Amino acid sequence: AQSVTQLDSQVPVFEEAPVELRCNYSSSVSVYLFWYVQYPNQGLQLLLKYLSGSTLVKGINGFEAEFNKSQTSFHLRKPSVHISDTAEYFCAVSDTYSSASKIIFGSGTRLSIRP
Amino acid sequence: GAGVSQTPSNKVTEKGKYVELRCDPISGHTALYWYRQSLGQGPEFLIYFQGTGAADDSGLPNDRFFAVRPEGSVSTLKIQRTERGDSAVYLCASSLMGQGVTEAFFGQGTRLTVV
Repeated sequence: AQSVTQLDSQVPVFEEAPVELRCNYSSSVSVYLFWYVQYPNQGLQLLLKYLSGSTLVKGINGFEAEFNKSQTSFHLRKPSVHISDTAEYFCAVSDTYSSASKIIFGSGTRLSIRP
Repeated sequence: GAGVSQTPSNKVTEKGKYVELRCDPISGHTALYWYRQSLGQGPEFLIYFQGTGAADDSGLPNDRFFAVRPEGSVSTLKIQRTERGDSAVYLCASSLMGQGVTEAFFGQGTRLTVV
């Protein structure tokens, strides 16, 4: 079974500052990894995903994440945040063995941007 | 359709009553998922359909919860004898295949309040 740990429940940063949202996963098999974003009063939206290949994955809105197998991490980064990035961010994992595998989500990190 | 549609958007019910929550997936998507999201938590997996059949119902908390997808499109999540602890946002997602391979698209959710 897989699990996801998001170490920070809240991350406050100033506008235009860099940010890193941490995510660690646990799995006994190979995994796919995802970051979803939930803007206020909106549904979940996929930011980016790692399936295979390059460990650095680029997503929408200038976000990127790096898969580190040895550290079982998939941290999300953005070099310069904007007020519009205020949202809840969820890291998620699924196994690679089934083409119909469920996604397991972390508890989320609330990113708040200060002007 | 343009996206995953969930109805109603809000539902208030009395403890002990029966409720049905509906999900209209994106046309052509064979995979459909139900999740539950409590305040301050990440989405919790409930059940997954591939076509008409439930491929994985391991997340259903107890036998008061049941879901159907009789024609492989619309799905209904049914909750019997509702309890206050069932209050949460119920999310539906659909994808072309399993979530591990392709992007899953989420609806806006149904906010269920049991009073």
